[in-house]
Amino acid sequence: AQSVTQLDSHVSVSEGTPVLLRCNYSSSYSPSLFWYVQHPNKGLQLLLKYTSAATLVKGINGFEAEFKKSETSFHLTKPSAHMSDAAEYFCVVSRFSGGYNKLIFGAGTRLAVHP
Amino acid sequence: DTGVSQDPRHKITKRGQNVTFRCDPISEHNRLYWYRQTLGQGPEFLTYFQNEAQLEKSRLLSDRFSAERPKGSFSTLEIQRTEQGDSAMYLCASSLGIPTTNEKLFFGSGTQLSVL
Repeated sequence: AQSVTQLDSHVSVSEGTPVLLRCNYSSSYSPSLFWYVQHPNKGLQLLLKYTSAATLVKGINGFEAEFKKSETSFHLTKPSAHMSDAAEYFCVVSRFSGGYNKLIFGAGTRLAVHP
Repeated sequence: DTGVSQDPRHKITKRGQNVTFRCDPISEHNRLYWYRQTLGQGPEFLTYFQNEAQLEKSRLLSDRFSAERPKGSFSTLEIQRTEQGDSAMYLCASSLGIPTTNEKLFFGSGTQLSVL
């Protein structure tokens, strides 16, 4: 069975400092992994996805994530946080079965960015 | 705005009442999903439509829940005899094309349900 564990429920950083949001996954086969962001009163937005191509995946707004099979991790990083990055971030694994993708979300990490 | 639209944005109801939510997917998107997100948790899959056919239902979808997608366009999610445990954000997502592991879902802003 597929699952994801987000290791931090809250992360707080200062503007301009690096961001690290941690995610470990469990999958019985090569997974498809995603990071989604949810801003207040807005829909979930796809940041980036990994689908067994390059292990370092670049997404929107300067975010990137590295797939590490040996560590079963898919951590999200950004070199320099911006105030607009404050939001809820979800690590997601996809289970493709029966002709559709079922997204399995982690519990989320709330990112706070301080001036 | 040509994204996924959900209505209403907020719904407050008394326990035991029926509620219905609407989702308008992106035009021509043939697949539509419903997810539920409770406070402090990530969204959980509820059900999936391919055009007008409901192809999968989660065990989370009790008999009090029913979803439809007439004509393969908009979708409705109805909850009968609401309970306080139904309080959550109900999210709709749509996608286009042949489902693969690269499928990209577009999410709406959700309907926040509060059952008093």
